[in-house]
Amino acid sequence: QVQLVESGGGVVHPGGSLRLSCVASGFTFSTYSIHWVRQAPGKGLEWVGVASFEGVVKKYADSVQGRFTLSKDNSKNTVSLQMSNLRSEDTAVYFCAKEFNEHQWYFDYWGQGALVTVAS
Amino acid sequence: EIVMTQSPATVSVSPGERAILSCRASQSISNKLAWYQHKRGQAPRLLIYGASTRATGIPARFSGSGSGTEFTLIINSLQSEDFTVYYCQQHYNWPLTFGGGTKVEIK
Repeated sequence: QVQLVESGGGVVHPGGSLRLSCVASGFTFSTYSIHWVRQAPGKGLEWVGVASFEGVVKKYADSVQGRFTLSKDNSKNTVSLQMSNLRSEDTAVYFCAKEFNEHQWYFDYWGQGALVTVAS
Repeated sequence: EIVMTQSPATVSVSPGERAILSCRASQSISNKLAWYQHKRGQAPRLLIYGASTRATGIPARFSGSGSGTEFTLIINSLQSEDFTVYYCQQHYNWPLTFGGGTKVEIK
């Protein structure tokens, strides 16, 4: 069965960095784009970014552009989200999610999420 | 950026009755709308995509409709497990955006 498992969450000071990983199984990883979506405490869902199926094309939300970097390693079925210059407003549960199909930008499988807390 | 607005923020419904959730886009998104169910502490669950197509394994009591800027999710015969939060998401263009959510609570 399809599984996505996030790891790497934790507490970090403002201005610090953190790297989240998402390990996938149960599907042909190299043929699907993987997205990250976050949910701040008490808030709704916010799309963060996407790494295309081959890992070449990456898109980001304006709120994280220039601070977050995605990488996709198809040999390890892993997508990483490198987060730098973190701010308090980046505090959230971060979910990785599998894109339904190429150019169909909705998500049929999600991980359980990783909590990132940015606090001094 | 396309702004998605969901209403109401909370809807109170008795078990067995119907809930009607609305989602409005700030510009036309054709039928490029998805709905998710999200229970606290769990992964969101895809319910509907393309405005009206149920995802695999989703019960028929969930139905979606609409096009352009106005969309509706109807949940018939509410079961206990349906009382949670629902989000719409446009999959028309970048950046992908979600509505603020509607909480379905027990009346």
